[in-house]
Amino acid sequence: KAGVTQTPRYLIKTRGQQVTLSCSPISGHRSVSWYQQTPGQGLQFLFEYFSETQRNKGNFPGRFSGRQFSNSRSEMNVSTLELGDSALYLCASSLEPGALTDTQYFGPGTRLTVL
Amino acid sequence: EDKVVQSPLSLVVHEGDTVTLNCSYEVTNFRSLLWYKQEKKAPTFLFMLTSSGIEKKSGRLSSILDKKELFSILNITATQTGDSAIYLCAVGAGGTSYGKLTFGQGTILTVHP
Repeated sequence: KAGVTQTPRYLIKTRGQQVTLSCSPISGHRSVSWYQQTPGQGLQFLFEYFSETQRNKGNFPGRFSGRQFSNSRSEMNVSTLELGDSALYLCASSLEPGALTDTQYFGPGTRLTVL
Repeated sequence: EDKVVQSPLSLVVHEGDTVTLNCSYEVTNFRSLLWYKQEKKAPTFLFMLTSSGIEKKSGRLSSILDKKELFSILNITATQTGDSAIYLCAVGAGGTSYGKLTFGQGTILTVHP
């Protein structure tokens, strides 16, 4: 079974631009969670989607948004980029957290650099 | 606010040594504790521990969960250079914490030949 895939793997943007990252979960997984990883803050939860609905959101500004499609693929968008948004953005999928397991399987991440 | 603390933050050992990594947590409505290994890529899943499964073992790796004292340990015996990585501890909670894992800072393990 194919793992979680994320595109693109690397991205360089300038301040003020916006960016869209994509995530395809493991086949059969319906929940997608997004995390931001930085050296200073570690892994921080952004939001989670299930059945095209955002069920949970972390403590990030409204510039960070996302959505999920009917095939469970998910995208996240960051508008008006700031230097501090430079990070590794990780997507994780699971069957349905809380039902049977909390185990999340991570994709390779998108490395975003904001200049 | 949920909190996960790992110790030590970094550890340097030689091949063949045994290491113990620690993870303590303060979480409302605790449901599970997970260990991940991260090399220069995505975190890969190692173990999940819950109230019904407080001890797990796979090869040279083992982990226990102490729900009373709110901590977990990850043991690695006969370490190899391939064990060099960041080890992450994360906690899942019930209630409205859908899809959210709260992570510790990680322990950087370096194994020298």
